[in-house]
Amino acid sequence: EAQVTQNPRYLITVTGKKLTVTCSQNMNHEYMSWYRQDPGLGLRQIYYSMNVEVTDKGDVPEGYKVSRKEKRNFPLILESPSPNQTSLYFCASSFGQGAVNEKLFFGSGTQLSVL
Amino acid sequence: AQKITQTQPGMFVQEKEAVTLDCTYDTSDQSYGLFWYKQPSSGEMIFLIYQGSYDEQNATEGRYSLNFQKARKSANLVISASQLGDSAMYFCAMREGGDDKIIFGKGTRLHILP
Repeated sequence: EAQVTQNPRYLITVTGKKLTVTCSQNMNHEYMSWYRQDPGLGLRQIYYSMNVEVTDKGDVPEGYKVSRKEKRNFPLILESPSPNQTSLYFCASSFGQGAVNEKLFFGSGTQLSVL
Repeated sequence: AQKITQTQPGMFVQEKEAVTLDCTYDTSDQSYGLFWYKQPSSGEMIFLIYQGSYDEQNATEGRYSLNFQKARKSANLVISASQLGDSAMYFCAMREGGDDKIIFGKGTRLHILP
C-alpha cells in the first residue's frame, strides 16, 4: 500500500532533550517535506527536500534539522526542543513539480508536547 | 503579505446544500499549482483537488470542483450536495512556479448541519 509512515504518533518530552521524528515513504517520491500545524495558523512548512542530499528551509526552520540520505527517508530532528515547538507535525511527499500529479501524500501526524 | 488567504474561519451549512469555500492567492509567477485538502476531526490530511495555472478547465473530482478565476487570483472550492461527512477543516494551498515550497492557508472549518 502506498503510504507515508511517520513515527511516533504521540511524543511527550522535556525541554532540551534531543528527539527525532521519522518519516518514510514507499512511493519513490522525489519531494518530501515537513509541516507543523498550530491552531489558527494552518500548516507551516519547516523544511523540504527535492532529492537525496538536497534540503531547503521552509517558512519556520528555526530549531529544526533534517537530512535526506536516502530517497525514502526524511527524519526531522529537534536538537534542543523548547515548549514553543509543541505542535502537530506532518511529513508529506510527492513526485514534485512538473509531475502529472503533484499532490502531496501526508503521514498520519505526530503530536509533540515539550514540557 | 499572506500568500494564501482563506477569509472564512468557520461556516455552517445545511446538509444537501452546495458549499463554496473561498481561497485567494498571491503570486507573480505564471506557473503555479493550487490544491485543496480536507482534515477531518481524526486529523489526517486528505487530498481533494488540484488545479494547474495553465489548465483552462476548472478541475473537478466527484462532488468537488475548483472555481478557478485566474485574473482575480481566486481558487474557491465548491462542494455540491453537502453531506454530514463533509464536516472538517479545509485547507487551500499553493506551489509557486519557481519554488518548491507549498504554502497553506489557515483553513476554514466547515460544519454541516442535519
